[in-house]
Amino acid sequence: SQKIEQNSEALNIQEGKTATLTCNYTNYSPAYLQWYRQDPGRGPVFLLLIRENEKEKRKERLKVTFDTTLKQSLFHITASQPADSATYLCALERGGQNFVFGPGTRLSVLP
Amino acid sequence: GAVVSQHPSRVICKSGTSVKIECRSLDFQATTMFWYRQFPKQSLMLMATSNEGSKATYEQGVEKDKFLINHASLTLSTLTVASAHPEDSSFYICSAGDRPYEQYFGPGTRLTVT
Repeated sequence: SQKIEQNSEALNIQEGKTATLTCNYTNYSPAYLQWYRQDPGRGPVFLLLIRENEKEKRKERLKVTFDTTLKQSLFHITASQPADSATYLCALERGGQNFVFGPGTRLSVLP
Repeated sequence: GAVVSQHPSRVICKSGTSVKIECRSLDFQATTMFWYRQFPKQSLMLMATSNEGSKATYEQGVEKDKFLINHASLTLSTLTVASAHPEDSSFYICSAGDRPYEQYFGPGTRLTVT
């Protein structure tokens, strides 16, 4: 069956460290994958998109990797700040601009 | 990025009433919009794809007679929850995009059915 997993429901890290979030999927073949940030009671905010032929994508302090062999994407936030605390969702394309979302990881950056 | 708005942000209604939620793309035209539902501490679940000028496409298990979608213009899609019941209480979010593969989400509507 098809499944999307994100490494942990919650992750706590110290300010200044690099946060690494994992998205693993089974029985999907996405042409691209996205990462979103969601704050409580708000809609998700688009962060990054990475295509299947791209190994890595960067945007400011964010870095995403995509390994289609391992069926895994890693999302890194370097020099993390308390303001980075939020839930991060990965989303897989499944055709027609249609996405399926992972369960999310709630990141807490402690001062 | 593109801006998507939703109205209302919160609604409380009695069981058996119908509730309409609006989703607007403010600075772009969207031939397609998506409606999601999110229960507490769970991820977004796609309910339906709203197509301008034609019928919506519903995901498996979503009742089209209960969740009525109308995409009457290139900037507006509405979701009507017909005869709402407490189990319909949820966070409803729409999304749209002006470029392929980029979706922008509205702020969401919190529906509480008493």
